[in-house]
Amino acid sequence: NAGVMQNPRHLVRRRGQEARLRCSPMKGHSHVYWYRQLPEEGLKFMVYLQKENIIDESGMPKERFSAEFPKEGPSILRIQQVVRGDSAAYFCASSPPEQGGRGEQYFGPGTRLTVT
Amino acid sequence: AQSVTQPDIHITVSEGASLELRCNYSYGATPYLFWYVQSPGQGLQLLLKYFSGDTLVQGIKGFEAEFKRSQSSFNLRKPSVHWSDAAEYFCAVAVTGTASKLTFGTGTRLQVTL
Repeated sequence: NAGVMQNPRHLVRRRGQEARLRCSPMKGHSHVYWYRQLPEEGLKFMVYLQKENIIDESGMPKERFSAEFPKEGPSILRIQQVVRGDSAAYFCASSPPEQGGRGEQYFGPGTRLTVT
Repeated sequence: AQSVTQPDIHITVSEGASLELRCNYSYGATPYLFWYVQSPGQGLQLLLKYFSGDTLVQGIKGFEAEFKRSQSSFNLRKPSVHWSDAAEYFCAVAVTGTASKLTFGTGTRLQVTL
């Protein structure tokens, strides 16, 4: 019974490149959340998606960041034209439909993005 | 908007000693409350949660937490700490009645001395 999977675990990008982070939720889970953790800080909510829908993107930066959760395949967090300030750990979490309203989320191991 | 405060950035305890990590929240109603633990370089693991009912909740690894409405607190406790408990601990809240985001505190780093 695999948990939430994220890949890659580590990603290095030069300034100006694009970063694509992938998240496969737990089996049966249809809610996906993305969080960002800056060094020495807690996690900050970015976006909440269900299949083919963005439900809440109130934590997403207005530019360069986008997320999707297609009908088939993993959820993708995309960062265009990365800057050094994007260096952080990005965590994905998922929850099943019946618990979406209770907020109980299961986290993946994270992708650590380093921008050089 | 809801917020979470963890006033202790760093705590050191001796192995076998008791532990209490503080968490205070700000929200107009009773939120859903969670404690997560994060080991270095790892993701977050859910320790315990409070939705409603009994205000003392038991979690994994011998942890418990008590919800106190009058103090807007949800402190995490463990009677006897083990060296393997050294990690970062995060308190989080979710707005009730919606499928929504978690709001996290800034975390408390626990160091355990032998």
